[in-house]
Amino acid sequence: QQQVKQSPQSLIVQKGGIPIINCAYENTAFDYFPWYQQFPGKGPALLIAIRPDVSEKKEGRFTISFNKSAKQFSLHIMDSQPGDSATYFCAASFLSRLTFGEGTQLTVNP
Amino acid sequence: GAVVSQHPSWVICKSGTSVKIECRSLDFQATTMFWYRQFPKQSLMLMATSNEGSKATYEQGVEKDKFLINHASLTLSTLTVTSAHPEDSSFYICSARASGGSYEQYFGPGTRLTVT
Repeated sequence: QQQVKQSPQSLIVQKGGIPIINCAYENTAFDYFPWYQQFPGKGPALLIAIRPDVSEKKEGRFTISFNKSAKQFSLHIMDSQPGDSATYFCAASFLSRLTFGEGTQLTVNP
Repeated sequence: GAVVSQHPSWVICKSGTSVKIECRSLDFQATTMFWYRQFPKQSLMLMATSNEGSKATYEQGVEKDKFLINHASLTLSTLTVTSAHPEDSSFYICSARASGGSYEQYFGPGTRLTVT
């Protein structure tokens, strides 16, 4: 199975809130799990990524939590700002080929 | 570092004509480049993987004779949409993976293709 399931489809939080986006996968051969941020009309930008031998990774305000046994991973955005309003994609990689989740449209209200 | 550019950023062409899109890694060498297609409010779908100096590998359902990919150097890959039709209108995005076994892919800014 190559699918990556992402939820929620959309998310609205207030400034300073902590949006959480979840992804689940089936293929245990996936060996790299990145998160991307995309603004309208732009290409995706790599935010943070994790390997399956690590349960958590933090970079700035972004944290990935990874549960290998449950085949799930999530993105937390601390102290969210209106400038974080964008579409977020999780992805999973096998043999360098990325499979993307469906995307989450995040809106951070002032 | 790790900048990928695409040219053009947008293009409008008539049905039946061909369009070439360039993808360049500006500050690193990319042994592998990828081409994605994204429809409005949808996710990215991998179209093909290209390795420098060899033929591209296309995903299932992608017509290799319609979407010609050439990865002629370690910094340049091109996608040519041949005999374009309105249903080919989409946002085409490339990415590049640096040499040396890195997992990270760096994406270009995308090319908006509109076929009239």
